[in-house]
Amino acid sequence: GQQLNQSPQSMFIQEGEDVSMNCTSSSIFNTWLWYKQDPGEGPVLLIALYKAGELTSNGRLTAQFGITRKDSFLNISASIPSDVGIYFCAGQRDDKIIFGKGTRLHILP
Amino acid sequence: DGGITQSPKYLFRKEGQNVTLSCEQNLNHDAMYWYRQDPGQGLRLIYYSQIVNDFQKGDIAEGYSVSREKKESFPLTVTSAQKNPTAFYLCASSIVGGSGRAGYNEQFFGPGTRLTVL
Repeated sequence: GQQLNQSPQSMFIQEGEDVSMNCTSSSIFNTWLWYKQDPGEGPVLLIALYKAGELTSNGRLTAQFGITRKDSFLNISASIPSDVGIYFCAGQRDDKIIFGKGTRLHILP
Repeated sequence: DGGITQSPKYLFRKEGQNVTLSCEQNLNHDAMYWYRQDPGQGLRLIYYSQIVNDFQKGDIAEGYSVSREKKESFPLTVTSAQKNPTAFYLCASSIVGGSGRAGYNEQFFGPGTRLTVL
């Protein structure tokens, strides 16, 4: 079946550093979504991308829809403690949505 | 405010008992979804419904059942046939249609229910 490869699986960074994570697939998607999940809570939608090549920002977050439609990345600039959590990518096509396994972000004091 | 609610937040049940998890949305979304999340894992789709009185199995439907009698509600029953039911359960909803159109197919999640079977 379709799969999304999300990397890295986890990251340990210092506060203030920039973060980059990505998702790749062998399948083409029409929409890419990025979510953040805090412990014990449901995922919250951060950014939605609809067109190949699209670059969208939401505050310190920037995400891009890959030109091949098979990948997407999320960057977080100048990380702060509340950025800690799990970040999920999701690719959508027709009535299917596939989630990556998540990138767990840890921020060192 | 519009949103998705799940209740209860924490649920404890004895092994062999069926249990029903509630999911309600007032976003006027057509589609609703149930996911299971295990520690350190991603989201696995249990069931989804795109219209009232219709639903489809997801990747891990065995041991679960759902109903969709109202647009706003999509309860999930975890039956005694589910061999490892302890998990975090997430409900989501979305507008369907127009693949690749802004606002469509973006799933919004509830706060989750943590089920522990003793």
